[in-house]
Amino acid sequence: EIVLTQSPGTLSLSPGERATVSCRASQSVSSNYLAWYQRKPGQAPRLLIYGASSRATGIPDRFSGRGSGTDFTLTISRLEPEDFAVYYCQQYGSSPPWTFGQGTKVEIK
Amino acid sequence: QVQLQESGPGLVKPSQTLSLTCTVSGGSISSGGYYWSWIRQHPGKGLEWIGCISYSGSTYYNPSLKSRLTISVDTSKNQFSLKLRSVTAADTAVYYCARGRTYYAPWGQGTMVTVSS
Repeated sequence: EIVLTQSPGTLSLSPGERATVSCRASQSVSSNYLAWYQRKPGQAPRLLIYGASSRATGIPDRFSGRGSGTDFTLTISRLEPEDFAVYYCQQYGSSPPWTFGQGTKVEIK
Repeated sequence: QVQLQESGPGLVKPSQTLSLTCTVSGGSISSGGYYWSWIRQHPGKGLEWIGCISYSGSTYYNPSLKSRLTISVDTSKNQFSLKLRSVTAADTAVYYCARGRTYYAPWGQGTMVTVSS
C-alpha cells in the first residue's frame, strides 16, 4: 500500500497569496496517477486535478498540479476567499487499495 | 449533472451490519462505463477508499475490509449499496459515495455513521 504524506498540515495565508501543498508518496506512483481534491465544511469533496496535472472540468486555472514519481505539488496561484478549505491528494497508480493523504488545511491568516 | 446522495441509519450497534445506499440522479448508473465507489473518513483522520462496483456488478474491495464487505448495484433503482458486517467503533466515520474507480467526481455530501450500543 502506498502511503501519501502531505505537508504542511496547515497553511496560513492571506487572499491573493500563493499556496503550495506538497504530497510525497512512499513509493513511486505509476503513470503519475495522482489526484487532488478540495473539501469545504458541509460540502462534498470536489475533484481539482487528476493525472498529476490535468484540471477537472470547471476548475479555475489558478489551480495547478505538477510532479512525478514520489513528489507532487498542488499550487493555487492567487488565493480567492472561496479557496480556504482542506486539500487532499490521492494516488490510483497501483493496484487497490488506492490511498489518500491526510489533508492540508489552507486557512486565512 | 449527476448528483449522488447517501442514505441509511446514522447509528449502528457493535457486531451488527452497516447498510448504506447511494442514489444517483441526473444520469443513469448504467451509462458511461463508470464505476461507483464508497469512501469514508474517520473522525479527525484522512480519507479511506472502501471499494467500488460497475453497473454490471464487477467489484474492487479494499483488502483491509474485504472479509466484511459487500457492495451491490441495483440499476433499476439507479442505486448502489454498501454492507459492512460485524462493525466496531473503528467503523465510525462519515461515509461518502462517489462516481469513479480510480479518481472520483462527483461525490455525495456524506453521511455520518456512529457505531455504538
